[in-house]
Amino acid sequence: AQSVSQHNHHVILSEAASLELGCNYSYGGTVNLFWYVQYPGQHLQLLLKYFSGDPLVKGIKGFEAEFIKSKFSFNLRKPSVQWSDTAEYFCAAIQGAQKLVFGQGTRLTINP
Amino acid sequence: GAVVSQHPSWVICKSGTSVKIECRSLDFQATTMFWYRQFPKQSLMLMATSNEGSKATYEQGVEKDKFLINHASLTLSTLTVTSAHPEDSSFYICSASGQGFSSEQYFGPGTRLTVT
Repeated sequence: AQSVSQHNHHVILSEAASLELGCNYSYGGTVNLFWYVQYPGQHLQLLLKYFSGDPLVKGIKGFEAEFIKSKFSFNLRKPSVQWSDTAEYFCAAIQGAQKLVFGQGTRLTINP
Repeated sequence: GAVVSQHPSWVICKSGTSVKIECRSLDFQATTMFWYRQFPKQSLMLMATSNEGSKATYEQGVEKDKFLINHASLTLSTLTVTSAHPEDSSFYICSASGQGFSSEQYFGPGTRLTVT
């Protein structure tokens, strides 16, 4: 079965540190990729998405992600995190008419 | 744009009773709605997919007689948890899209169900 893996379960950083969250998918062929964020007590929000084109995707709140096809990866990055970035982050993938599959999620804690 | 609401945001019910959760797309027509379940500190698991006017498609292992899904209009889908038990306690999240699986899904805020 197709799967999405997030290897970092809980990441703790200090403010202004750089962030990179890993995401790997098992799909072959064309795949659409997403990063969602879930702030405490709030609903899932789309950070960014990759469908095609430039593999470096820029999203909201200063986040970006790079699609590396050869590595089946779509890692999320932010050069300088803020306390308000504390949240749960989910990577997800979909292929064609199949269902959206989520990774296990990464809890990010930013210490002020 | 693309706002999805859920009601109620939280509900507590007694074991054996049924609970209905509503999912509405507020500013777009949702041809497809999805229902997910999220356990504490875990990811979202798709329960079922519903297209307006047709029967829902359930994922393997999800009891269709227990989790009744109705998608009667392009802006409303309901999930009814019948004869709820404590193990049904969870966070239920709906999402909606305008063009089926391949288009972006917009997520509701979720409903916390606690069965006592």
